[in-house]
Amino acid sequence: QKEVEQNSGPLSVPEGAIASLNCTYSDRVSQSFFWYRQYSGKSPELIMSIYSNGDKEDGRFTAQLNKASQYVSLLIRDSQPSDSATYLCAVKAANNNDMRFGAGTRLTVKP
Amino acid sequence: DGGITQSPKYLFRKEGQNVTLSCEQNLNHDAMYWYRQDPGQGLRLIYYSQIVNDFQKGDIAEGYSVSREKKESFPLTVTSAQKNPTAFYLCASSYRTGNYGYTFGSGTRLTVV
Repeated sequence: QKEVEQNSGPLSVPEGAIASLNCTYSDRVSQSFFWYRQYSGKSPELIMSIYSNGDKEDGRFTAQLNKASQYVSLLIRDSQPSDSATYLCAVKAANNNDMRFGAGTRLTVKP
Repeated sequence: DGGITQSPKYLFRKEGQNVTLSCEQNLNHDAMYWYRQDPGQGLRLIYYSQIVNDFQKGDIAEGYSVSREKKESFPLTVTSAQKNPTAFYLCASSYRTGNYGYTFGSGTRLTVV
């Protein structure tokens, strides 16, 4: 079982719709959770972090965390073509600084 | 402005040649990391360093070497022992403790010719 699993997609949504990206992780002691956006040919850029169960909102982005289900998600409201990218889920354990990445979900927002 | 700089952006290696990728940060971060990314795949950890003069192997360290002589610098050498080095290499840095994410450099694309 992979440590961090994401649906590889591609996920395609129309402009203005809500995009929902999901991630599960296997290590129960994981403490910190991150979403990175990676445009084609570019490096990952941190867009959201979440540490407690529940929702965290930042502009059009909402991260959701459920530690009991070992599940973290990212919602993008009012999706724009500029949101088209690969989104990487990353998980960090409580006892070290080692971050584990999922393979990423490729999102396409169609005008 | 603080940031993390990787060079070169593109690198071509001949068979049997060692090459060194540069990574420099001025964010005062203690920890630095090297990842490899292959097309359509996630990031795989090569080496990481939490403090100067100390580093640990990641999941795919074979064929690679690193040094950490200065806090700001963490160069990666791809040796001739790495049989399939063509990939996108990413350097990252972070604070050693706390719930911080990583800051990434712009990456080096290495191609074997």
